[in-house]
Amino acid sequence: DAGVIQSPRHEVTEMGQEVTLRCKPISGHNSLFWYRQTMMRGLELLIYFNNNVPIDDSGMPEDRFSAKMPNASFSTLKIQPSEPRDSAVYFCAITYGNTIYFGEGSWLTVV
Amino acid sequence: AQKITQTQPGMFVQEKEAVTLDCTYDTSDQSYGLFWYKQPSSGEMIFLIYQGSYDEQNATEGRYSLNFQKARKSANLVISASQLGDSAMYFCAMREGLGNFNKFYFGSGTKLNVKP
Repeated sequence: DAGVIQSPRHEVTEMGQEVTLRCKPISGHNSLFWYRQTMMRGLELLIYFNNNVPIDDSGMPEDRFSAKMPNASFSTLKIQPSEPRDSAVYFCAITYGNTIYFGEGSWLTVV
Repeated sequence: AQKITQTQPGMFVQEKEAVTLDCTYDTSDQSYGLFWYKQPSSGEMIFLIYQGSYDEQNATEGRYSLNFQKARKSANLVISASQLGDSAMYFCAMREGLGNFNKFYFGSGTKLNVKP
């Protein structure tokens, strides 16, 4: 695939803890996206970056969520403090040419 | 209005038969792209096929083809000769915007079950 490495793949954490999800995209991508997927709400765009700059963060649910992209090869999504309703699969995705490619996702469970 | 509509929450198909998954879209842009993704139970989102709005031929990739009806704003996915491994969620998506400032919209998905 186009090459988007996410970590951790699975995380179980207690409510109130800080969670950091990481994404390492292949070089040469255009944009980087963070999506959240749940059964109830489907696939939701949280934020996306162009040239490491956040372009649209209107999907970030609340101040507990923050995302950074310090350079073209790394991005983080942080939740602090985490809540059970944050349990979801979080995808990092990139555009390469015309197409969007997804990482394998980070499965987060907050208990 | 929904940008991408997938009206079939679930579908069954017999192994080796063809199946069509419906997708309609809504845009006023002249330049856009249409995509299909497969999400098996393992969770990854796998890119299947792409159709550009200016492409005159329907896109094909192996057993996948995209039936692009521009006037109807539909972009149905056709899977020929279904296999058990095709059982998965399928998402239709659209890209709007130009250059690097793209927005992607995803449908709610169709769960396909292939019966032996």
